[in-house]
Amino acid sequence: DGGITQSPKYLFRKEGQNVTLSCEQNLNHDAMYWYRQDPGQGLRLIYYSQIVNDFQKGDIAEGYSVSREKKESFPLTVTSAQKNPTAFYLCASSGTGVPETQYFGPGTRLLVL
Amino acid sequence: GQQLNQSPQSMFIQEGEDVSMNCTSSSIFNTWLWYKQDPGEGPVLLIALYKAGELTSNGRLTAQFGITRKDSFLNISASIPSDVGIYFCAGQLFRGNTPLVFGKGTRLSVIA
Repeated sequence: DGGITQSPKYLFRKEGQNVTLSCEQNLNHDAMYWYRQDPGQGLRLIYYSQIVNDFQKGDIAEGYSVSREKKESFPLTVTSAQKNPTAFYLCASSGTGVPETQYFGPGTRLLVL
Repeated sequence: GQQLNQSPQSMFIQEGEDVSMNCTSSSIFNTWLWYKQDPGEGPVLLIALYKAGELTSNGRLTAQFGITRKDSFLNISASIPSDVGIYFCAGQLFRGNTPLVFGKGTRLSVIA
C-alpha cells in the first residue's frame, strides 16, 4: 500500500523532555513537510524539505528540529524549548511530477503531561 | 506569514441541500486545493486547481479557481451525512514542491 505513515498516533511529553515524531512515505516523493494544527485553526508550516539532506524553516520553526537523511523519512523533534507543544502534527509529501500535489499522513496528537 | 480568508466558519444544513464555501487572499496563488478532514485524521485531497478560471468537478463537488487568482470556491450538491467534516482551502504561491498556505476551515454539519 502506497502512502504516508505517522507514528505514534498519540504521544505524551513530560515537561523538559524532547520527543520525536516519525513520518515515513513510500510514494517516492522528493519533498516532505511538517504542519501543526491547533483547534479551530488551519495548518501552519513548521519545516519542509525539498530534497535529502536539505530543509527549510517554516512560519513556526522555533522549538522544533528536523532531519532528512533518507528520502523516505522526515522525523520531527519537539524540543523542550517549544513551550506550547500540545497540538495535532501532520506530515505531508509531494512529488516532482505534475501536479505536485501534497498528500497527508494520519497525524500524531501530542499531549503534555 | 500568508493567510487565506475562508468563509463561512461553520454551516448547519439539511441533508439534500447544496453547500457553498469560499476562500480569498490578498496574494496571487498559482494553485488552489481543497481538502476535507475528519476528526482525528489527516486532510484528504478533494480537488486541485491549476489554472485561473478552471472549473473542476469530483462527483458532487465542484470547485473553481478564480479569474483574479486570489480566490476559489467549493460547492457540494445534494449533501449527505458523510459530508460532515472540516473543509480546508489551501493555496500554493509557487509551483513545484513548495509549502501550502491554509485557510482556517469550514466546519460542515448535516442534519438528516
